[in-house]
Amino acid sequence: KNEVEQSPQNLTAQEGEFITINCSYSVGISALHWLQQHPGGGIVSLFMLSSGKKKHGRLIATINIQEKHSSLHITASHPRDSAVYICAVRHGAQKLVFGQGTRLTINP
Amino acid sequence: ETGVTQTPRHLVMGMTNKKSLKCEQHLGHNAMYWYKQSAKKPLELMFVYNFKEQTENNSVPSRFSPECPNSSHLFLHLHTLQPEDSALYLCASSQQGPFPDTQYFGPGTRLTVL
Repeated sequence: KNEVEQSPQNLTAQEGEFITINCSYSVGISALHWLQQHPGGGIVSLFMLSSGKKKHGRLIATINIQEKHSSLHITASHPRDSAVYICAVRHGAQKLVFGQGTRLTINP
Repeated sequence: ETGVTQTPRHLVMGMTNKKSLKCEQHLGHNAMYWYKQSAKKPLELMFVYNFKEQTENNSVPSRFSPECPNSSHLFLHLHTLQPEDSALYLCASSQQGPFPDTQYFGPGTRLTVL
């Protein structure tokens, strides 16, 4: 069992739909990251959070420390949102532990 | 464009070859990282350098040899690799301090070992 579990592994939706991707982790953390990886490999950091909620444009990330759970939401999804979304948790000062990723496909 | 560049973007090599991957960050960060991403597996941390000093080696085989000549450049020297080493190799950098930091990733080098 991975230390960081994401669900679903694959998600296909129609343009405009509200998207939720979930991340659960098993040990205490200092921070949680949501990353986006486009085809070709490049990774972009979307959010880093340790409590509460953050919003950037159509993206919203929430975290519940007690339940060891985080969600990434996309409102009014668009085909350009199609990518792999990766949850990663930080232990101590440096090491990030990554989930296996959620492959999102938004059809027009 | 994240401020982290990697070359080459694609590399095909035989098991007896020696090659090097290069990473350069233009962000003034003090820490750099090598990650390996194999098909259908989570990202795996390989090495961490902080102020040019290696601070983490995540049980990586010796056929992978990192080098960090300064805080802006990071190399991964490869020799006598195996086909199972074929993967996407990602470099990242961050500014480490007393609080959790954001890592900025390069585009990756897709390595194929024949």
